[in-house]
Amino acid sequence: EAGVVQSPRYKIIEKKQPVAFWCNPISGHNTLYWYRQNLGQGPELLIRYENEEAVDDSQLPKDRFSAERLKGVDSTLKIQPAELGDSAVYLCASSYEREGADEQFFGPGTRLTVL
Amino acid sequence: QQPVQSPQAVILREGEDAVINCSSSKALYSVHWYRQKHGEAPVFLMILLKGGEQKGHEKISASFNEKKQQSSLYLTASQLSYSGTYFCGTGSTNDYKLSFGAGTTVTVRA
Repeated sequence: EAGVVQSPRYKIIEKKQPVAFWCNPISGHNTLYWYRQNLGQGPELLIRYENEEAVDDSQLPKDRFSAERLKGVDSTLKIQPAELGDSAVYLCASSYEREGADEQFFGPGTRLTVL
Repeated sequence: QQPVQSPQAVILREGEDAVINCSSSKALYSVHWYRQKHGEAPVFLMILLKGGEQKGHEKISASFNEKKQQSSLYLTASQLSYSGTYFCGTGSTNDYKLSFGAGTTVTVRA
């Protein structure tokens, strides 16, 4: 079974530039998450989708971050414009929600460096 | 609120045991454990749900003490492959929302 796919794996941009990350979850997983992981820290949730609906975006900095999951499968996370503090690893995860607390499967992440 | 993991780091020789603790200030419904190797995705190890159960995965097991709002991960007879950073993710309700600790870095040496 293919895992969660993310691209690109690495991205280096200058501040104020836009950047986008793509995620394809495990087939059949209806729930998709975007996390941000700062160096030496655990992942922090940015947004969660159930199918194509964003059911929790309370942690997403909406002034510069946006996300979409148009057909309820793959998803894109965008930052515009990027700031120095956005440098981090952006992880996508997916799960098949059944009774609530189900295991989340993570992709390899996109390491973003903002110069 | 983020759970607190201890210790921050541990160095073991192959065959030695270790315990990683995860404590929360909130009542817990679930605890998820993941291992992440450098530059790779976190890999799911196990979930423990409210009920104080203990689970095992090869020689890695975990316990969940609801009253103390904490979980412990036990690495028994450690192998080189156990090296990595271990994260606990805690859920205070019966849903998806997890708060992750800062991680415990385990280094197993031959």
